Amino acid sequence: GQQLNQSPQSMFIQEGEDVSMNCTSSSIFNTWLWYKQDPGEGPVLLIALYKAGELTSNGRLTAQFGITRKDSFLNISASIPSDVGIYFCAGQAIQGAQKLVFGQGTRLTINP
Amino acid sequence: NAGVTQTPKFQVLKTGQSMTLQCAQDMNHNSMYWYRQDPGMGLRLIYYSASEGTTDKGEVPNGYNVSRLNKREFSLRLESAAPSQTSVYFCASSPTSVFNYGYTFGSGTRLTVV
Repeated sequence: GQQLNQSPQSMFIQEGEDVSMNCTSSSIFNTWLWYKQDPGEGPVLLIALYKAGELTSNGRLTAQFGITRKDSFLNISASIPSDVGIYFCAGQAIQGAQKLVFGQGTRLTINP
Repeated sequence: NAGVTQTPKFQVLKTGQSMTLQCAQDMNHNSMYWYRQDPGMGLRLIYYSASEGTTDKGEVPNGYNVSRLNKREFSLRLESAAPSQTSVYFCASSPTSVFNYGYTFGSGTRLTVV
C-alpha cells in the first residue's frame, strides 16, 4: 500500500523555539492534511492543502504542499506548552481509493 | 454539537471474546471510517464506508467486521479478540469520500486484549 514517511519521529525542544517536520510519499498526492492529537483524544485537523506549491497558515502554524506533490512540510513558530502532542500528516492520492493515508506521527515535547 | 461519538472509551477483553465498538456522527456526513493506532505506526485504516449501504476493506481488515447501520452509525466488530488487536481505535467521518475536506475523529476506544 501507499506509504508516508514522516520525520522526525520525536522532537524535544525549548519553549519559544521553532519546529519543523515533514512528510514524504512515494506516490503523488492531490491533498495534504496536517492533524494534531492531544493525549487521550482523536486527531484534530490543523491545515489542509489542495494545490502543489500552496503555502497556508493557521496562526503560528504554516504548512506547504510540495511542488513535486510528493511531500509536505509543517512549521510551528515560537512554540508554547500547548503545542505538545503528536502531529500527523495525511494524504489523499489522485488515483485509487479516496481514503486518507497517514504518516507515523511526530511526537513533540516542550521543555518550559 | 457532539461530532463523532465513540463507545466505550475503554475495554478489556479476554482472548476469544467478541465485542462491538460503536460510532455515531451527527454532522450528516456520508463517509465513515475505522482506524487503529499503534505506537510508531500512525493510523491504519481497518474498514470504511463511502456512503450508507456500502463498506470496503482498508489496509488491515483481518479479524474485523463492520456494519453501516444507517447514515449516522458505523460499528466495528471483533468476533474473536486476539492480543494483536490491542490498540486504540478511532472512528472518523467526512462529508464525502470523493474530495477530502478532512476527517472529524472521535476520541477513541482503548482496547486491551489479554
